Amino acid sequence: DSGVTQTPKHLITATGQRVTLRCSPRSGDLSVYWYQQSLDQGLQFLIQYYNGEERAKGNILERFSAQQFPDLHSELNLSSLELGDSALYFCASSPSGAIKNIQYFGAGTRLSVL
Amino acid sequence: SQQGEEDPQALSIQEGENATMNCSYKTSINNLQWYRQNSGRGLVHLILIRSNEREKHSGRLRVTLDTSKKSSSLLITASRAADTASYFCATNQGGKLIFGQGTELSVKP
Repeated sequence: DSGVTQTPKHLITATGQRVTLRCSPRSGDLSVYWYQQSLDQGLQFLIQYYNGEERAKGNILERFSAQQFPDLHSELNLSSLELGDSALYFCASSPSGAIKNIQYFGAGTRLSVL
Repeated sequence: SQQGEEDPQALSIQEGENATMNCSYKTSINNLQWYRQNSGRGLVHLILIRSNEREKHSGRLRVTLDTSKKSSSLLITASRAADTASYFCATNQGGKLIFGQGTELSVKP
């Protein structure tokens, strides 16, 4: 158990809908990262938050947004969903955003857009 | 886009044999990490090697790093059926991990 909790485990929804994925980082970790894993794109970095502030952005679509709350949990919001958004979404956390840090991954949320 | 490539894409071996996976990357690095992913589950960190290290061991794992060739290899010795998983190398760029495409390892009992 990595100590990172993601909910829900599975999500099935329709095109055009909006969903929210939730992540609770390991106790004490200030940095949260979101990744998307799909068959065609592999594992891709989406966005990073550190202590409530956005720290880095990857190839995150404008339809996607995220935030980190004062209690350090994070949410990833996906809107106007398309079939191609079907993927595994992982959250990871680390003590800080330092390059030397190992990232601890949650079990992921599997999103199916029908 | 992904940082680099992993080779082979898939590897099937018998229990007890050694498995070697290779990873190439494109930019300069501070460190390189290897992660394991069991089918459809979260990634588990295996080992981190710094750019000033050439080799590192952890249990049955041996990682090498050649910064001049921008490549790394992961060796799993005396493999077990429980080692069946996908293995990814990742470089850390400004805190975010950039992953390779992964090697799918199958260890047959």
